[in-house]
Amino acid sequence: GAVVSQHPSRVICKSGTSVKIECRSLDFQATTMFWYRQFPKQSLMLMATSNEGSKATYEQGVEKDKFLINHASLTLSTLTVTSAHPEDSSFYICSAIRTGVNTEAFFGQGTRLTVV
Amino acid sequence: AQRVTQPEKLLSVFKGAPVELKCNYSYSGSPELFWYVQYSRQRLQLLLRHISRESIKGFTADLNKGETSFHLKKPFAQEEDSAMYYCALLTGGGNKLTFGTGTQLKVEL
Repeated sequence: GAVVSQHPSRVICKSGTSVKIECRSLDFQATTMFWYRQFPKQSLMLMATSNEGSKATYEQGVEKDKFLINHASLTLSTLTVTSAHPEDSSFYICSAIRTGVNTEAFFGQGTRLTVV
Repeated sequence: AQRVTQPEKLLSVFKGAPVELKCNYSYSGSPELFWYVQYSRQRLQLLLRHISRESIKGFTADLNKGETSFHLKKPFAQEEDSAMYYCALLTGGGNKLTFGTGTQLKVEL
């Protein structure tokens, strides 16, 4: 099946620094990608929808200046957590939609961010 | 606005017992519904979609537009079915994928 690769899988950073997470669709083009945040033992919380060539659409309550999303190509979306704080520590998951006869979402393996 | 509701956070059943994971949705347009599963330490993966009307790993789900439901069912639970299950609604021509809060299925021996 289709593959979505997310990198890095784990990152530790200091408070105040920025961290970039990449999401790549390896064998299909994705006009739309999604970024989710998952707290321990909780569901996926949609943060934003990343659209290739246009601005991302953020969900209510998600700070767009803090979570910068760039979808510069049909196979790559990046999420940059700027000026990270310990409360930003979480599991971030990306998803890419493969459209067609059988539209389906494929998920990255997730990135565990720890801000110290 | 679209919404997906999974009322049960945790469902515990014995091996061999029937399973039903509930999912209700709210959407004014024509819905595309999916069930995703997340096994321990693995990424989310598609289990089944309503369009294909298939049975995967013994699981089936029927879209009931009248009740706006898409419940996931299996007649006989297996230990390997223990996982987190998410119901998802795709709308906007594939522009938005909304998940329910998930149900943790625990199959006990």
